[in-house]
Amino acid sequence: EAGVVQSPRYKIIEKKQPVAFWCNPISGHNTLYWYRQNLGQGPELLIRYENEEAVDDSQLPKDRFSAERLKGVDSTLKIQPAELGDSAVYLCASSLRLAGRETQYFGPGTRLLVL
Amino acid sequence: RKEVEQDPGPFNVPEGATVAFNCTYSNSASQSFFWYRQDCRKEPKLLMSVYSSGNEDGRFTAQLNRASQYISLLIRDSKLSDSATYLCVVNRGTGGFKTIFGAGTRLFVKA
Repeated sequence: EAGVVQSPRYKIIEKKQPVAFWCNPISGHNTLYWYRQNLGQGPELLIRYENEEAVDDSQLPKDRFSAERLKGVDSTLKIQPAELGDSAVYLCASSLRLAGRETQYFGPGTRLLVL
Repeated sequence: RKEVEQDPGPFNVPEGATVAFNCTYSNSASQSFFWYRQDCRKEPKLLMSVYSSGNEDGRFTAQLNRASQYISLLIRDSKLSDSATYLCVVNRGTGGFKTIFGAGTRLFVKA
């Protein structure tokens, strides 16, 4: 079974430029997450989707970040304009609820460097 | 204070040693608990879920103490390949479903 797919794997941009990340979750997983992970820290949730609905975007910096999940499958996360502090790894995860438990599976991440 | 806290380590242990990590959580409404493993420059991967009764998977044992609000991970007979960062993960349902990751505990197993 294919895992969570993300692209690009690496991105280097100059500050104030826009950038977009793409995620394809595991087939059949209704829940999709975007996380940001800084060096030496655990992943921090940016947004969670149930199908196409964003059910938790409380930690998404809405002045510059946006996300969408059209048709409840693939998702994109956009930053415009990027700032130096946005340099991090952006992880996408999807999950399936079984027996009352929800296990998340992560993609390889997109490593962003803002210069 | 962070909602999920872990000792960042690093823990440096010889092969064959037994090592234990603890993780504390502050929200008593937390419902489910997991340990994830993350290798350097890789994504987190589920190591094991943590059940109220405690559970074991080979050399790994996870336990939950709801009264004291902590979970633990015990690794017996450490292998070089166990070197990684171990992330504690807590899901809570009240106040809106949330998944909270700890910052991780780094383990180095030496020959």
